[in-house]
Amino acid sequence: SAVISQKPSRDICQRGTSLTIQCQVDSQVTMMFWYRQQPGQSLTLIATANQGSEATYESGFVIDKFPISRPNLTFSTLTVSNMSPEDSSIYLCSVQAGTYEQYFGPGTRLTVT
Amino acid sequence: AQKVTQAQTEISVVEKEDVTLDCVYETRDTTYYLFWYKQPPSGELVFLIRRNSFDEQNEISGRYSWNFQKSTSSFNFTITASQVVDSAVYFCALSKGSSASKIIFGSGTRLSIRP
Repeated sequence: SAVISQKPSRDICQRGTSLTIQCQVDSQVTMMFWYRQQPGQSLTLIATANQGSEATYESGFVIDKFPISRPNLTFSTLTVSNMSPEDSSIYLCSVQAGTYEQYFGPGTRLTVT
Repeated sequence: AQKVTQAQTEISVVEKEDVTLDCVYETRDTTYYLFWYKQPPSGELVFLIRRNSFDEQNEISGRYSWNFQKSTSSFNFTITASQVVDSAVYFCALSKGSSASKIIFGSGTRLSIRP
């Protein structure tokens, strides 16, 4: 398994501002993922972050809104840009450890006012 | 396209009852993986089980058991002798293809165990 930490754990932000969420893993991993969980909803994959290349975004998510960095094999950031109340969600980082398991971080609870 | 359906939005049972959470999936892939995750009120996602498409054996882990049936595209999860600590949202999930790197989640079932 992998131990994943995220910062901040929660934040309240004003609309129009940006927030950068950090994800740290205790071991080197090839693939890291960012998910969004809107209130009372399931998880939706935002993008896959690979070290040394640009992130791959899923349909409905764009780099200008959710820029992602992956500077090394243990760290990634997701920025939520120009926030609106609709961006209020839990943002989760996950990693693929071993061949088939994905492990998730504790999540960042974002509220946009 | 892949899809995971958890028709039960909420289930409430009394402690010590057995409860089954249903999961039906759709995929055209011949090789895929199915997962169950638990999300307690604290919010973190806890990995429970992975099953690949070639392994239809049922699995039991303590009070938890899983029934995988390819004929009905179902991967159901049963908790025996439920406990209050089992209260959580449970997600069934399906990989996009064989790499298990992209996971599609069902809508989740909120399970409440009453003392």
